[in-house]
Amino acid sequence: EAGVVQSPRYKIIEKKQPVAFWCNPISGHNTLYWYLQNLGQGPELLIRYENEEAVDDSQLPKDRFSAERLKGVDSTLKIQPAELGDSAVYLCASSLARTGGSRNTEAFFGQGTRLTVV
Amino acid sequence: AQSVTQLGSHVSVSEGALVLLRCNYSSSVPPYLFWYVQYPNQGLQLLLKYTTGATLVKGINGFEAEFKKSETSFHLTKPSAHMSDAAEYFCAVSFNAGGTSYGKLTFGQGTILTVHP
Repeated sequence: EAGVVQSPRYKIIEKKQPVAFWCNPISGHNTLYWYLQNLGQGPELLIRYENEEAVDDSQLPKDRFSAERLKGVDSTLKIQPAELGDSAVYLCASSLARTGGSRNTEAFFGQGTRLTVV
Repeated sequence: AQSVTQLGSHVSVSEGALVLLRCNYSSSVPPYLFWYVQYPNQGLQLLLKYTTGATLVKGINGFEAEFKKSETSFHLTKPSAHMSDAAEYFCAVSFNAGGTSYGKLTFGQGTILTVHP
């Protein structure tokens, strides 16, 4: 079974340019997360989806960041315009639906997209 | 609010020696606790997790961790380090409660494990 797939793996852009990241979760996983990982830090949640609904986007900088999961499967995260401080790794993760049970709390991570803004 | 503190950003051990990576958490409700490993330029892979039941949890690659509620700790151990264990390790906390925080993982800062011959 394929894991969480992210693309691209690496992206270098100039500041003020737009950039988009794509994530395809594990089949059947209704919950999707975007995490930001700065160098030398642990990941921090940006947004969480339950199917197509963003249920927690409190940490998403909405002035320049946006995300969508239109059909409740794959998702895109966009930054426009990018700033130097956005250089980081963007991780996507997925888990089973919120139907109770400890098994559903396990999140599976993709390999991430490493963004460099120059 | 929940938080995670990993003591020691770098740990170095000899091959065959005991590995001990420390993690303390803060949570207002019973936590779910996780250890993830991250190899260079890779995503995070789950090593083990504690949700309910037995407080000593065994994971992959010979790692285990013990949930100690009185100490609010979830330290990761491995009796004998292998060169392939060199990676960055993250402790994380979550909790199965209502509201928007469900499923949200809060990570520690990470501990880089170096294994030398």
